[in-house]
Amino acid sequence: SQTIHQWPATLVQPVGSPLSLECTVEGTSNPNLYWYRQAAGRGLQLLFYSVGIGQISSEVPQNLSASRPQDRQFILSSKKLLLSDSGFYLCASGGAINEQFFGPGTRLTVL
Amino acid sequence: KQEVTQIPAALSVPEGENLVLNCSFTDSAIYNLQWFRQDPGKGLTSLLLIQSSQREQTSGRLNASLDKSSGRSTLYIAASQPGDSATYLCAVRNTGRRALTFGSGTRLQVQP
Repeated sequence: SQTIHQWPATLVQPVGSPLSLECTVEGTSNPNLYWYRQAAGRGLQLLFYSVGIGQISSEVPQNLSASRPQDRQFILSSKKLLLSDSGFYLCASGGAINEQFFGPGTRLTVL
Repeated sequence: KQEVTQIPAALSVPEGENLVLNCSFTDSAIYNLQWFRQDPGKGLTSLLLIQSSQREQTSGRLNASLDKSSGRSTLYIAASQPGDSATYLCAVRNTGRRALTFGSGTRLQVQP
């Protein structure tokens, strides 16, 4: 089965600073990859998904960007963080029709 | 636009009880439905996946049913244990969409 790694586990950053969150996947090849955000008291919101290297689709306009430099690597970035970027970021992997598996998440606090 | 609702938002039961968590969705054109468990501060653990052509799936003490025409799914937990305490999330994948649409979850507390 798949294993999804995310780091860092927690991050505290000042407003206006850059961000880079990394996700890597083991146990599968050519997966669909996803970034979700879970804000306090709210459901999971899809931010980005990728069906292959260099292919990124965005669900909502925002301050963040994503990249997929390798088949099993997915990166979430920002040039300048906002307070509203605080939340719990989850990376997920899955085929187009199969189960989605989630990583352990990164807790981001923007001060 | 798909909307997923989970009722109740929170539930507290004594150990040993059987319980049912409910999930409803507005657009019945789904490809599959997935139930997850989330422990505080942790990622999501997949519990059960039901394809749109299936009526139910079972794993140990868990049984999930799907009634696509009425837009409903239930997660049945038999003989609940304190270790079952967590938030349970329902998510659907619509036909033609790659991502899941999540409900806001049911927070379950099983009292020893």
